[in-house]
Amino acid sequence: DVKVTQSSRYLVKRTGEKVFLECVQDMDHENMFWYRQDPGLGLRLIYFSYDVKMKEKGDIPEGYSVSREKKERFSLILESASTNQTSMYLCASSPADRDNQPQHFGDGTRLSIL
Amino acid sequence: AQSVTQPDIHITVSEGASLELRCNYSYGATPYLFWYVQSPGQGLQLLLKYFSGDTLVQGIKGFEAEFKRSQSSFNLRKPSVHWSDAAEYFCAVARGTYKYIFGTGTRLKVLA
Repeated sequence: DVKVTQSSRYLVKRTGEKVFLECVQDMDHENMFWYRQDPGLGLRLIYFSYDVKMKEKGDIPEGYSVSREKKERFSLILESASTNQTSMYLCASSPADRDNQPQHFGDGTRLSIL
Repeated sequence: AQSVTQPDIHITVSEGASLELRCNYSYGATPYLFWYVQSPGQGLQLLLKYFSGDTLVQGIKGFEAEFKRSQSSFNLRKPSVHWSDAAEYFCAVARGTYKYIFGTGTRLKVLA
């Protein structure tokens, strides 16, 4: 079974802090994704990466950056956290495949910015 | 524009009753469609997927979904709901190779 592990289930940070959310997958997947989930809005894509050191903006990249130095690890960075970034963050991975293989999700990190 | 609509925000059913969750999509090409389930405090788990072929797709946990191109729908069904099915359900369509569009979710409540 694919395992996507997010380093923290719950995180509380202060406004202005630099925040790192870590995600590791164990199935050698090429693609990795970061979403945020808010009530009534579903999941919105922040960034994704299709290879090491490669990244592309998703639908809501403002205020975020990402890092992928190793294939198995994809980090989401909040450069200067703000209260409107309080949310549930979900990481996902999928293999590089033309047939749109399903994404596999971690359990999420619930982030509160005070 | 590409979109996924789940018109029901909340649905309540009695245990043992049948279930249908609606999903409508707007996508120009042949869609790749998915249903995911999210239990409280958990990530999303894939229930089933449709790529091509038979329009009735079987998934895990006794769920099935039917793709209807003429109605742009991909509704999820289960003949008899169990209390453990209480969760939030998301429909998604793949756009291009990497990106999904998710619906806003339907929260299912099951009455004992």
